[in-house]
Amino acid sequence: KAGVTQTPRYLIKTRGQQVTLSCSPISGHRSVSWYQQTPGQGLQFLFEYFSETQRNKGNFPGRFSGRQFSNSRSEMNVSTLELGDSALYLCASRLQGAQGEQFFGPGTRLTVL
Amino acid sequence: LAKTTQPISMDSYEGQEVNITCSHNNIATNDYITWYQQFPSQGPRFIIQGYKTKVTNEVASLFIPADRKSSTLSLPRVSLSDTAVYYCLVGDHSSNTGKLIFGQGTTLQVKP
Repeated sequence: KAGVTQTPRYLIKTRGQQVTLSCSPISGHRSVSWYQQTPGQGLQFLFEYFSETQRNKGNFPGRFSGRQFSNSRSEMNVSTLELGDSALYLCASRLQGAQGEQFFGPGTRLTVL
Repeated sequence: LAKTTQPISMDSYEGQEVNITCSHNNIATNDYITWYQQFPSQGPRFIIQGYKTKVTNEVASLFIPADRKSSTLSLPRVSLSDTAVYYCLVGDHSSNTGKLIFGQGTTLQVKP
């Protein structure tokens, strides 16, 4: 069974631009969560989607948004990029009911110049 | 969600057993304890999860005392490839939330 895939793996943008990251969960997993990882703040929860609906949201500004499609694939968007948005963005999927065990993708490394 | 406290870093040598202890004094009745491993520039990987006493799988063992205020991840006979950051998480598994709260984690350095 294929793991969680994320595209692109690396991305370089400039301040003010917007970016869209994509995540394909493990087949059969309907829950997809997004995390941001930086050296200073560590791993922080962004949001979770289940059945195309946002179910949980972390403490991030409205510039961070996401969506989920009917096939459970998810995208997250960051608008008006700031230097501080440079981070590793991780996507994780899980089976419904399996709260503790999530399967993470390799991440997208975003650099904002 | 209960806060967890772990050592920032640990050193070990190949072949040794490594024990990483996590403190979670405010753990709630419905909370489970979960450990993840993360290598540089990769996503975290689930290692083990438990509620009480001892849990063992092919990778590690998890020891949880009766009061559940702490837990110890035990890695038998570590190798250089076990060098990674290890995170202890506590979460309510009755809430059906996918939100995981990661602390600083413990950076384990295995030396030859």
